[in-house]
Amino acid sequence: DTAVSQTPKYLVTQMGNDKSIKCEQNLGHDTMYWYKQDSKKFLKIMFSYNNKELIINETVPNRFSPKSPDKAHLNLHINSLELGDSAVYFCASSQDISGDQYFGPGTRLLVL
Amino acid sequence: AQSVTQLGSHVSVSEGALVLLRCNYSSSVPPYLFWYVQYPNQGLQLLLKYTSAATLVKGINGFEAEFKKSETSFHLTKPSAHMSDAAEYFCAVKNSGGYQKVTFGIGTKLQVIP
Repeated sequence: DTAVSQTPKYLVTQMGNDKSIKCEQNLGHDTMYWYKQDSKKFLKIMFSYNNKELIINETVPNRFSPKSPDKAHLNLHINSLELGDSAVYFCASSQDISGDQYFGPGTRLLVL
Repeated sequence: AQSVTQLGSHVSVSEGALVLLRCNYSSSVPPYLFWYVQYPNQGLQLLLKYTSAATLVKGINGFEAEFKKSETSFHLTKPSAHMSDAAEYFCAVKNSGGYQKVTFGIGTKLQVIP
């Protein structure tokens, strides 16, 4: 069973579209994260949720809106996609706010 | 503010040779330090971590790292490289105490030459 899963694995879309990426963890963890990895492999945190509450919101454009319907899910909705949004988006989870992070396989987003 | 610097974005070693991937950190408080590995088209996997216990930390796949406070370093080593070690390696830091975000280095791509 996959511990942290993301869908879709690949996403190709046009500029201006709205898209969502879903993340689910079956580890029973309380904390979930979204990271963005750019073309140079630089990995930066975007958001973190603990028990469905937002605890970290880095300087991310408000076109990005995370939603956590329950502790096992953290979805990322992106409005008005731009070329610069092309990247690999990783979801991660940890037992609690200080625990080791377990990463999903990533969603490769390409905006044309 | 915390940060990590990984020296060398690409490292090539021969199969069977020593692997040494360098990481220096900057932190205003005692840090927690991590090494992650990313295989092609996969997510990151935790190799090992330092959390203020033993300074020499052993991880999976034969890797280890030594925390040296005087040098602010946390270099990753493996005595003998295998072809399967070819991957991207990320050093990461977070401040100890409560919740702190993890800051990643830019990564080092390890190539293993047969």
